[in-house]
Amino acid sequence: QQQVKQSPQSLIVQKGGISIINCAYENTAFDYFPWYQQFPGKGPALLIAIRPDVSEKKEGRFTISFNKSAKQFSLHIMDSQPGDSATYFCAASKGSSYKLIFGSGTRLLVRP
Amino acid sequence: EAGVVQSPRYKIIEKKQPVAFWCNPISGHNTLYWYLQNLGQGPELLIRYENEEAVDDSQLPKDRFSAERLKGVDSTLKIQPAELGDSAVYLCASSLGVKQFFGPGTRLTVL
Repeated sequence: QQQVKQSPQSLIVQKGGISIINCAYENTAFDYFPWYQQFPGKGPALLIAIRPDVSEKKEGRFTISFNKSAKQFSLHIMDSQPGDSATYFCAASKGSSYKLIFGSGTRLLVRP
Repeated sequence: EAGVVQSPRYKIIEKKQPVAFWCNPISGHNTLYWYLQNLGQGPELLIRYENEEAVDDSQLPKDRFSAERLKGVDSTLKIQPAELGDSAVYLCASSLGVKQFFGPGTRLTVL
């Protein structure tokens, strides 16, 4: 019940295309869903996050879509750029514990 | 504003040796986390501090791992003795609320 399942494991997109990464969770008590971006040799960096009371949140080229009934959420990267090539992690936490449960990660490669 | 600082960035040790990692969180952040990240996987929480108190250490292997956060600021994570399977990246994060900010991590290699 604590798992967050992420797919795909890897993704190749052409420059200018849309990158889509999906996550699914089981625990309905989760109430905070962030996405992190990690470059090699660096720590994860918070990209964007959403609460379950909204279905979509957009920040620049990054959008989270949230489907509470399906217990799924996804990250969309519009106009993908080679600089977006990194590993992306979804995560979830509940209440005041702030214990993040991470997905297994998606390695994104954006070809020039 | 300075981010989370960790040292050393890399550490190579022989198995059965002790090792320690240090973390300085973002100023004013009262919550500090230590995560373990194995190659190709997402981070997993080891321990969470609220100020000086360890409020969640359920995932910390207490037979060989220990941690402390003196004065509610810096923190040290120790492994004694290290095993081959401890080779991983050890990440420190801090937060004031729900948003967690990660340091660059310490890559540990146990030979």
